[in-house]
Amino acid sequence: ETGVTQSPTHLIKTRGQQVTLRCSSQSGHNTVSWYQQALGQGPQFIFQYYREEENGRGNFPPRFSGLQFPNYSSELNVNALELDDSALYLCASSFANREEQFFGPGTRLTVL
Amino acid sequence: GESVGLHLPTLSVQEGDNSIINCAYSNSASDYFIWYKQESGKGPQFIIDIRSNMDKRQGQRVTVLLNKTVKHLSLQIAATQPGDSAVYFCAENPNNAGNMLTFGGGTRLMVKP
Repeated sequence: ETGVTQSPTHLIKTRGQQVTLRCSSQSGHNTVSWYQQALGQGPQFIFQYYREEENGRGNFPPRFSGLQFPNYSSELNVNALELDDSALYLCASSFANREEQFFGPGTRLTVL
Repeated sequence: GESVGLHLPTLSVQEGDNSIINCAYSNSASDYFIWYKQESGKGPQFIIDIRSNMDKRQGQRVTVLLNKTVKHLSLQIAATQPGDSAVYFCAENPNNAGNMLTFGGGTRLMVKP
């Protein structure tokens, strides 16, 4: 186990709703990255947070937003949910400037 | 658990044989590459990494080879075991700064007892 935890494990929402997913980093890690993994595909980078600031963003619309807290835990918020948002959402923590990332088990989001 | 990689290419090997999983990466400026293993219902697990100033790196039962000329990465698993059955992803760091990874599409490894 990596020490990275995510909640909830599974979530079902309907189109148009909003969702918040949570991640607790491995102890001592100050960087959190979020990824979306559609079924049968590799993870796609959403964004990264370092010291509570967004530190890079992938090709995702503004309705995907995030937060990082002083204890380095993080949230991913998605507004106006669409059917294509159904996926496994992964967070990964790391030390800044070190590439090795440790992934949590993910949250499976289903949008109906 | 959930199923990862329903439509991924599949490599089927006999227990005890060696496995070779291949990956083509996209960005010639990437200088860091990682292989991850993902079992059903779990997040990706780090296996081995390599930097672009190396051609080969060995770990315990695993070897990663990097060919920058053709932008190709491979993962070799020696004496494959049933516990190696999983989906394997290669990832690259295209920004050469920070930890933003671009993942490949993945390969499912099935080990026959």
